[in-house]
Amino acid sequence: QKEVEQDPGPLSVPEGAIVSLNCTYSNSAFQYFMWYRQYSRKGPELLMYTYSSGNKEDGRFTAQVDKSSKYISLFIRDSQPSDSATYLCAMGRASGGSYIPTFGRGTSLIVHP
Amino acid sequence: NAGVMQNPRHLVRRRGQEARLRCSPMKGHSHVYWYRQLPEEGLKFMVYLQKENIIDESGMPKERFSAEFPKEGPSILRIQQVVRGDSAAYFCASSPRLAGSTDTQYFGPGTRLTVL
Repeated sequence: QKEVEQDPGPLSVPEGAIVSLNCTYSNSAFQYFMWYRQYSRKGPELLMYTYSSGNKEDGRFTAQVDKSSKYISLFIRDSQPSDSATYLCAMGRASGGSYIPTFGRGTSLIVHP
Repeated sequence: NAGVMQNPRHLVRRRGQEARLRCSPMKGHSHVYWYRQLPEEGLKFMVYLQKENIIDESGMPKERFSAEFPKEGPSILRIQQVVRGDSAAYFCASSPRLAGSTDTQYFGPGTRLTVL
């Protein structure tokens, strides 16, 4: 079993839809929970970061963490074609005062006009 | 403020040659991380360095791979005697490691290595 499971998709939605992206993990040592967005042929860009269970909102994005179920989600409201990208979840473990993320495979999202 | 810079962006090597990948962190960042993204696989951590020091190399292959971050100059990921399985995108990230910060890692655009 992989430490982080993420459905690769692709997930295709119409513009304006609410998108739900999910990951599960198995390692209880993970303390940090992140979502990255990666456009084709580019480096990942951090979208959301949290270290506690519950919800965190930033504009159209909401990250949800349930540590008891080892399950995290990212919701995108009013999705736009520019949101089309691969979304990577990542779970971080502490190392040398920083954190080392373990990434999911990424979910490919396509938002069509 | 320039972001994380990586060069070259594309690198082609024949089997058995050496590959050197360079990463210049963002200004003011003292910590560098290297990741590899293989086709059909996720991004995988390789090594975490600060100036002149390796902090965590738990993801580094035991042979042929090495990394350094000298006091002056960029961080270097070195792959000796490359094989076709080394073909991948290699990403570098940097962080400021400021006290009390969430220590966000900022990624560079990556180097795409192709081994013929």
